[in-house]
Amino acid sequence: DIQMTQSPSAMSASVGDRVTITCRASQDISNYLAWFQQKPGKVPKRLIYAASRLQSGVPSRFSGSGSGTEFTLTISSLQPEDFATYYCLQHNSYPLAFGGGTKVEIK
Amino acid sequence: EVQLVESGGGLVQPGGSLRLSCAASGFTVSGNYMTWARQAPGKGLEWVSVIYSDNSGGSTYYADSVRGRFTISRDNSKNTLYLQMSSLRAEDTAVYYCAKGDAEYWGQGTLVTVSS
Repeated sequence: DIQMTQSPSAMSASVGDRVTITCRASQDISNYLAWFQQKPGKVPKRLIYAASRLQSGVPSRFSGSGSGTEFTLTISSLQPEDFATYYCLQHNSYPLAFGGGTKVEIK
Repeated sequence: EVQLVESGGGLVQPGGSLRLSCAASGFTVSGNYMTWARQAPGKGLEWVSVIYSDNSGGSTYYADSVRGRFTISRDNSKNTLYLQMSSLRAEDTAVYYCAKGDAEYWGQGTLVTVSS
């Protein structure tokens, strides 16, 4: 089974900061990776698919990169509405696997 | 407009069974692969199961934690996805979400609580 290691598990950042979250796959998953944002009590929202494709309607300050085993979600300038928990998901092979999550909190 | 509405959650005793439903609109469940995921209270997301479209053979896959106890299925006439859960354990307590395809669209979730 493929394991997804997400880091950091939590971070504090200020509005305007550049934020980078990493997911590492235990084996090659090509570009079969998506990123999700979840706010407390809300449904997860897909931000990025195919590792780097921006979901329609998602602000361009979000971007994804990587392939193979290492992937990055970048928020170029953190906004107040971006404080949330972020998850990666590999869908290259079954069983699918989410990363453990990164909680982005206000500094 | 794509909509997914889960139902069927509730309180069930350990060892019991429950069937979750996910009513879809705006697309056909038969033509898409459909996913169940869950989230235990205060924890991260966990993928549970998938069923492929009719055109792709309708294959099903499960997480190790639920294989042999959960069954994913669909009723094309009702455009509804199901998750039949049996031999439930306390660690199955979670909000269960259905999602379309590569989790582009999610339902609002339904809470399953396994407790005596």
